[in-house]
Amino acid sequence: DTAVSQTPKYLVTQMGNDKSIKCEQNLGHDTMYWYKQDSKKFLKIMFSYNNKELIINETVPNRFSPKSPDKAHLNLHINSLELGDSAVYFCASSRGLGETQYFGPGTRLLVL
Amino acid sequence: AQSVAQPEDQVNVAEGNPLTVKCTYSVSGNPYLFWYVQYPNRGLQFLLKYITGDNLVKGSYGFEAEFNKSQTSFHLKKPSALVSDSALYFCAVRDLLYNFNKFYFGSGTKLNVKP
Repeated sequence: DTAVSQTPKYLVTQMGNDKSIKCEQNLGHDTMYWYKQDSKKFLKIMFSYNNKELIINETVPNRFSPKSPDKAHLNLHINSLELGDSAVYFCASSRGLGETQYFGPGTRLLVL
Repeated sequence: AQSVAQPEDQVNVAEGNPLTVKCTYSVSGNPYLFWYVQYPNRGLQFLLKYITGDNLVKGSYGFEAEFNKSQTSFHLKKPSALVSDSALYFCAVRDLLYNFNKFYFGSGTKLNVKP
């Protein structure tokens, strides 16, 4: 069973569209994260939720909006997609704040 | 600010030889340090971490890392490299100063193990 899963795996879309990426973890963890990995493999945190409460909100455009309907899910909605949004987006979870993180397989987003 | 640096973009080693992937850190206070590995088209996998205690930390797949406070380093090592170790390796530090839920990742080091 996959511990941290993301859908879709690949997402190809046009500029200006709105898209969502879903993340689910079955580890019983309290904390979840979204990271963006650019073409140079640089990894940067975007958001973090703990018990459905937003605790990290980095300098990310307002077009990005996370939503956590429950502790096991953290979705990422992106409005008005831009070329620069093309990247791999990773979801992760940890048992608690600052604990070891477990990553999903990533969603490869390509904006044309 | 908390940060880690991985000075080598790429490390090449022959199978069977020892490998070292370097990481240096800059933190305020005691560091919590981590190593992750990323195989092609996969998410990051946790290898090992240092929080306190023994400076030599053992992790998954035969990897270990040595915490050196005087040199502010946390190098990843393995006595005998395997071709299957070829991947991208990330060092990370946890922010204990401003937001202890935040991790800072290094730029990654690509390890190539040749048969």
